[in-house]
Amino acid sequence: GDSVTQMEGPVTLSEEAFLTINCTYTATGYPSLFWYVQYPGEGLQLLLKATKADDKGSNKGFEATYRKETTSFHLEKGSVQVSDSAVYFCALFDNNDMRFGAGTRLTVKP
Amino acid sequence: NAGVMQNPRHLVRRRGQEARLRCSPMKGHSHVYWYRQLPEEGLKFMVYLQKENIIDESGMPKERFSAEFPKEGPSILRIQQVVRGDSAAYFCASSAGTSGRETQYFGPGTRLLVL
Repeated sequence: GDSVTQMEGPVTLSEEAFLTINCTYTATGYPSLFWYVQYPGEGLQLLLKATKADDKGSNKGFEATYRKETTSFHLEKGSVQVSDSAVYFCALFDNNDMRFGAGTRLTVKP
Repeated sequence: NAGVMQNPRHLVRRRGQEARLRCSPMKGHSHVYWYRQLPEEGLKFMVYLQKENIIDESGMPKERFSAEFPKEGPSILRIQQVVRGDSAAYFCASSAGTSGRETQYFGPGTRLLVL
């Protein structure tokens, strides 16, 4: 079945460091791919998405490119801020089924 | 333009009591999904409903858990005879359709604590 694997956390970075959170997927069809962010004590918010191969989703300085050849959707940001501290979930939607990765906790220190 | 609403935000129950969690989807959305997030774990799909129909309940425990999405009113996730292991955050999401391209929008979650 479909699945999502994302890098285990926690990830701790200093402010202005470069961020990469890896996400790979397996799917039988042509899924849509998403990154959600969960700030402490809050629900999930959509961060960005991509619906087909080579699409790049971007929002708030975060980017991820849908790579069909490597079945990946890695999240990147060039310069993180303390306010980016949260848990990030990679997810796919395929055949009426939404699958989430386990989440990666990011802590950014000043 | 209200988003997905869930209530209560926090719910405390003693073992053996019933928990009722409510979810009002975004305006115009007729598809509702429930997820459970156990402490320090990712989200797990529980059930997918359309108005008056359960489409997929493959992630829902067979006993004590039930869900409905009536023609009028919010979707309800009901947990009977709660146990400590039911303590978790329960998230509801809604979407406008299921072509595979619509985004699911999440509510703020209900945090259930079973004493």
